[in-house]
Amino acid sequence: RKEVEQDPGPFNVPEGATVAFNCTYSNSASQSFFWYRQDCRKEPKLLMSVYSSGNEDGRFTAQLNRASQYISLLIRDSKLSDSATYLCVVRMDSSYKLIFGSGTRLLVRP
Amino acid sequence: DTAVSQTPKYLVTQMGNDKSIKCEQNLGHDTMYWYKQDSKKFLKIMFSYNNKELIINETVPNRFSPKSPDKAHLNLHINSLELGDSAVYFCASSQDRGAGVDTQYFGPGTRLTVL
Repeated sequence: RKEVEQDPGPFNVPEGATVAFNCTYSNSASQSFFWYRQDCRKEPKLLMSVYSSGNEDGRFTAQLNRASQYISLLIRDSKLSDSATYLCVVRMDSSYKLIFGSGTRLLVRP
Repeated sequence: DTAVSQTPKYLVTQMGNDKSIKCEQNLGHDTMYWYKQDSKKFLKIMFSYNNKELIINETVPNRFSPKSPDKAHLNLHINSLELGDSAVYFCASSQDRGAGVDTQYFGPGTRLTVL
């Protein structure tokens, strides 16, 4: 079983739609959680961290369920510029090591 | 100003050759990383250095040798290149020693093609 699993997509949605991505992680010792965004042929960039209480940044909402070892990302009012691959990322405590999921591809169409 | 830079951006070479990729960060970070992203877009850590000390060394063939001359630079040397080494190699850096929220800043990547 992969350490971090994501639905690869692609998710093909119209502008203005709401879309949700899910991610599961296998190691219950994982302590820090993130969503990174990677545009085509570009480097990954941090989108947002994920906190136990859930957190929101504009149109983006991230949720964490430690009991189910499940992380989600909700994007409201999708924009064309949201088209990218979204990477679920997990870090275990006392480690520099980030474990990346293989990413979920989002295509927002006009 | 480029925060994390890599050279070259593209590298095309023959099997069996030896090549190096260079990385520099001007963020004043203590920790630097090398990642490999294969054709399936799976991004995996290879090495990490903290203040020139190797702290992560994943299961990577010993043909790959990282070198950190100072904390702002982390180079990757690859000997006897194989077809399976073709991938995009990303350098990254971060400030924290793993405590708290780690934002890793990635370089633009080096696309290596082995023929």
